[in-house]
Order: sequence, then structure tokens, then C-alpha cells
Amino acid sequence: DAKTTQPNSMESNEEEPVHLPCNHSTISGTDYIHWYRQLPSQGPEYVIHGLTSNVNNRMASLAIAEDRKSSTLILHRATLRDAAVYYCILRANFGNEKLTFGTGTRLTIIP
Amino acid sequence: NAGVTQTPKFRVLKTGQSMTLLCAQDMNHEYMYWYRQDPGMGLRLIHYSVGEGTTAKGEVPDGYNVSRLKKQNFLLGLESAAPSQTSVYFCASINPPGPTSGANVLTFGAGSRLTVL
Repeated sequence: DAKTTQPNSMESNEEEPVHLPCNHSTISGTDYIHWYRQLPSQGPEYVIHGLTSNVNNRMASLAIAEDRKSSTLILHRATLRDAAVYYCILRANFGNEKLTFGTGTRLTIIP
Repeated sequence: NAGVTQTPKFRVLKTGQSMTLLCAQDMNHEYMYWYRQDPGMGLRLIHYSVGEGTTAKGEVPDGYNVSRLKKQNFLLGLESAAPSQTSVYFCASINPPGPTSGANVLTFGAGSRLTVL
């Protein structure tokens, strides 16, 4: 199974942009990159996903490296409500149904 | 549209007791998953199902059993609870990948907090 590697923790100041990295050097050509986040005492929630091109939605942006071996989740203007654990996972377009999560990155927002 | 509902939300068990956690989804998803999350840790996959009547082992299946008798329900059972099974349990569901559906995303329940004394 292709795995992802993320830093255990990051800090950012409120109202500044945050760049959360994810390495996935063994990604296959048909794997989608998904990001989820888990707010304190809640279940994880979907943030954004992409395949090859950079993606934007109302929550965040996803920048995918040209070789797809890494990606970066961008929160353009962090708020205290963005303090959470962020998970990057790979979802195969066919075949592997086993969806596993790593330990994620715990994001702390400093007021 | 409730999404994924887990019951119960909280439960306290004594060592050796048995119990079942229920996960129900109303999105007609084919795939369902059970994860556990220990304090300060990430999600670990216990068991999963790719359709009614099917189940498969995840990363940490020992001590748990599952059943998927109906497409919308995925049950997680503990036959003889142990303190090491104290955790928060999350259920999730998603549709299968396909030519244009690799973008299907997981929907999680709110979690079931289990304490085994």
C-alpha cells in the first residue's frame, strides 16, 4: 500500500497562511490524494482532494507536486477554528479498498 | 440526511463483558470501515467491508468481530472486552472507486467512546 508521511505537529499564527506538507513517494498513477481534518472531540471531516492539478475549495487549496510524490494543503488565512489534526491519505482509483490513516499533523494556531 | 450514525455514543464495560457498536449510514455507500483512536494517536483500521455480506481485516483486528448483514449497517463486536480496548471508535463509509469516482470521500460518524474497566 502506498503510504504517506506528515510532520507530527506544526504551529502557525492566527490570520497567517499555513502550508501542511505530505510526502507520498510511492504513489501510483491512479491514486487520489485526500485530506481530512479532525477537530477536537469530533470525527474526521473531508477537506479537499486532487489527482494531478492543484485544487481550490472554500476550505483550502491543495498543491500537488509535478511528480506527485508530495502535496501541500494550504489554509490561506488560519483561524483558531482551524486547530485540528490534518490527515493526508491516498485513495486508489481501483483495487485497494483498505483505507488507512497515519498519525497526521497536529496544527496549533497561536492567537 | 443523517449521514453516518453511531450508537451508543458512550459505554462503560467491565473486563470480560461483551458489546456491539452499531454504525448506520443512509447514503447507500458500498464500503464501510471501523477505526479506533487512542488518546493523542491517529486512526487505526480495525475491520472493513466492501459490500453486504463481506468483511475483511484491517491493521488491528484482534479482539473484534464485525458483521454486515444489511448494506446500511456495519456492526463491531467485542466478545470479551479488555482494558486495552478502551478507545474512541469511528465508523466511516464511502462508495467504491471507479473511472470517475476516485474522488468519492469518506464520511465519518461522530464516534463512540468506550471505556473498559
